Amino acid sequence: TQLLEQSPQFLSIQEGENLTVYCNSSSVFSSLQWYRQEPGEGPVLLVTVVTGGEVKKLKRLTFQFGDARKDSSLHITAAQPGDTGLYLCAGATGGYQKVTFGTGTKLQVIP
Amino acid sequence: NAGVMQNPRHLVRRRGQEARLRCSPMKGHSHVYWYRQLPEEGLKFMVYLQKENIIDESGMPKERFSAEFPKEGPSILRIQQVVRGDSAAYFCASVKGLGDTQYFGPGTRLTVL
Repeated sequence: TQLLEQSPQFLSIQEGENLTVYCNSSSVFSSLQWYRQEPGEGPVLLVTVVTGGEVKKLKRLTFQFGDARKDSSLHITAAQPGDTGLYLCAGATGGYQKVTFGTGTKLQVIP
Repeated sequence: NAGVMQNPRHLVRRRGQEARLRCSPMKGHSHVYWYRQLPEEGLKFMVYLQKENIIDESGMPKERFSAEFPKEGPSILRIQQVVRGDSAAYFCASVKGLGDTQYFGPGTRLTVL
């Protein structure tokens, strides 16, 4: 069974602070996605990383895929209240890209 | 996730009743995944279907749960004789083809009384 552990599980920070969320596994994934989910809604895809060592930036969000394609991180610069939500990493494997979701990080950004 | 429709959005059932959850994929998508999410947790894979075919049901409980994706109409996740432990949010995601990005619906929140 593939497991994706996210840390921290909960994070409450002040507006303007920086933060990093980690996603770790002992399994190798062909690609890794990050999603954000708001209460009462489905996950929304933020980014997909495919190549080991790859770094992608989306405005204030920076995503990195580990060299061995087993782990990833999400760094948010100058967090804003609108960043509040549940952040999920998800690793894909296999021919049809079966996705295993991480345990989730619940982020609260206080104005 | 615009375009993937799920209904109902909320469903309340008493123990022993049946729950039928529907998922209409995005236009042009012929593959559907179903996931279950407990409060404050990540999503757990249940089943992957192509039209008229179950590709992978390794995440689905062996009893009481079934899924289908007919040639015409939405994909259906059916839970027979529901129990309190079935209370969760159920999400479907559609993809255009093998290995493509999954787009999620808004989910159905099932509450079993």
